[in-house]
Amino acid sequence: DGGITQSPKYLFRKEGQNVTLSCEQNLNHDAMYWYRQDPGQGLRLIYYSQIVNDFQKGDIAEGYSVSREKKESFPLTVTSAQKNPTAFYLCASSPERGRGEIAKNIQYFGAGTRLSVL
Amino acid sequence: QKEVEQNSGPLSVPEGAIASLNCTYSDRGSQSFFWYRQYSGKSPELIMFIYSNGDKEDGRFTAQLNKASQYVSLLIRDSQPSDSATYLCAAADSNYQLIWGAGTKLIIKP
Repeated sequence: DGGITQSPKYLFRKEGQNVTLSCEQNLNHDAMYWYRQDPGQGLRLIYYSQIVNDFQKGDIAEGYSVSREKKESFPLTVTSAQKNPTAFYLCASSPERGRGEIAKNIQYFGAGTRLSVL
Repeated sequence: QKEVEQNSGPLSVPEGAIASLNCTYSDRGSQSFFWYRQYSGKSPELIMFIYSNGDKEDGRFTAQLNKASQYVSLLIRDSQPSDSATYLCAAADSNYQLIWGAGTKLIIKP
């Protein structure tokens, strides 16, 4: 089955610790995204990547880092510099980004990772 | 600051009635608009998108766009209890950068 797999489903972070959230897709999509969702707020873009070995900061990149070494994988690291990391983290992918017909820019989401602080 | 505004709700609608969800956006450069449904604790899933003024129908769902008024709406006909969810509206610029609303919680009462 084609899809986007996020792991783990739940994650707990201790003070001063870096944690990494996994996102893997087998849809052969070029573009991948990380969003953060807090209660009562819209999704906020953390980072996105249009091609392998390239990624761009979104609106709230501070305290986060990403890599895109393979087309299928776009892991997100929440660093100790992110002082309020408790949120629902969503990974998404789209066939393309920023060009072509609208259908190729539709974003599809993984099941999410819920991160809490111990 | 580009914004997408939605009434947080909850919007309570009787089963079988029409549910009307509304969204306004601030950026006149927005080109296309997306409606996603999000069940509690789950991830968003696309319902439909629209980019031309007027109506677009897909089964029980109709999206309406009025660019002059910067207004998007989603109508759900013959509402079912399974339609109870939070509905997210997103506006995309010409590069498909999405600005998301906070969502409207819809409750369908049997």
